[in-house]
Amino acid sequence: DTGVSQDPRHKITKRGQNVTFRCDPISEHNRLYWYRQTLGQGPEFLTYFQNEAQLEKSRLLSDRFSAERPKGSFSTLEIQRTEQGDSAMYLCASSLDGTPYNEQFFGPGTRLTVL
Amino acid sequence: AQSVTQPDIHITVSEGASLELRCNYSYGATPYLFWYVQSPGQGLQLLLKYFSGDTLVQGIKGFEAEFKRSQSSFNLRKPSVHWSDAAEYFCAVGARSGGYQKVTFGTGTKLQVIP
Repeated sequence: DTGVSQDPRHKITKRGQNVTFRCDPISEHNRLYWYRQTLGQGPEFLTYFQNEAQLEKSRLLSDRFSAERPKGSFSTLEIQRTEQGDSAMYLCASSLDGTPYNEQFFGPGTRLTVL
Repeated sequence: AQSVTQPDIHITVSEGASLELRCNYSYGATPYLFWYVQSPGQGLQLLLKYFSGDTLVQGIKGFEAEFKRSQSSFNLRKPSVHWSDAAEYFCAVGARSGGYQKVTFGTGTKLQVIP
């Protein structure tokens, strides 16, 4: 596998439930990003990891959201007590420090629907 | 803070016709500029990127973009559109922020191709 993978691709949940998404970056990439994309909008930055350290969080990331990247490999994004406004596509991207442009490679996304 | 404006929400072109998608950015220094394409239900694929050098940049799938500093623009062009080009296109600007590249996306332009 040479790309970024995300699981699941689709998730339907009821309001108030917790959900967890997983992202597997390109294996040698040390940087990992989470974005949220709502209908009619471009992706919006949520958070960023360098190796296992979470270095920046957007104000969009409320306290119901938590992200981890144990051992600097895969990452999980958990949303607790989901709300209908959380319905969106959640995109993960990875990049390798020191490469030209620090180009970010995107996964296919997880589409969340909160009923 | 950087920002991106894509003034056209939706564009329809005939197959074989030329295409130009507009993008204007705001950033104090020389930015990294990107164009991504997103097919329905998919993640983002990088078409091309610019940081320095020749202001006319060639990308994949026959796309090109021209950086015009005086106009703060980075318009995407293709001389002859194919039906498979129907997708949503995002312009993005990247800037160094705390050691990583923060990428800000525009709201996207949805391209429809008619026979």
